[in-house]
Amino acid sequence: QVQLQESGPGLVKPSETLSLTCAVSGYSISSDFYWGWIRQTPGKGLKWIGSMSHSGGTYYNPSLKSRVTMSIDTSRNHISLKLNSVTAADTAMYYCARTLYGDNPFVFDYWGPGTLVTVSS
Amino acid sequence: SSELTQDPAVSVALGQTVRITCQGDSLRTYYASWYLQKPGQAPVLVIHANNNRPSGIPDRFSASFSGNTASLTIAGAQAEDEADYYCSSRDSSGYLPFGGGTKLTVL
Repeated sequence: QVQLQESGPGLVKPSETLSLTCAVSGYSISSDFYWGWIRQTPGKGLKWIGSMSHSGGTYYNPSLKSRVTMSIDTSRNHISLKLNSVTAADTAMYYCARTLYGDNPFVFDYWGPGTLVTVSS
Repeated sequence: SSELTQDPAVSVALGQTVRITCQGDSLRTYYASWYLQKPGQAPVLVIHANNNRPSGIPDRFSASFSGNTASLTIAGAQAEDEADYYCSSRDSSGYLPFGGGTKLTVL
């Protein structure tokens, strides 16, 4: 059974870099599939951040692309998200997820429980 | 980038059929996926591609498409179907928007 678990600081100061990791168990991330990040502002809808393939290919949301870096660490079997120059607008629940198919970066069937990040001084 | 529009809220009587819609130009080219989300939980994929349900999703959930509109139909809605429903569909530039979500209330 594939399981994902996000982790990282729950509080980040404005203008700093938000760094999250997603530990994957039950599957080797180097084998296949895309791995994505999606966030949700409290009480609001979902926003796709980006998707990265097991081989490193990426798709990013254009509105966040200039501030986002996604990476894969196959030795630790986890994926990472960095979002720099954060503001209060980046306060959200952040989810990592795995795609349903290895050739489609846009449909997610396994999700982590999410981690709440607040941007505040 | 393309956007997807959903009605903010829909209600249905227990056991009746309800349709939740999603509109957007990208839907003329690409299939929609549908997710449900219950309070405090991560989204769950309920429909993808051409009306495909992942394992464990009841067959009362189905999808249809017409023009720029995708629809999720729940036939015989149950109390446990009360949730927020989100559509998503890529566009030609490799961007993935989500709809704003529809809050389904089962009366």
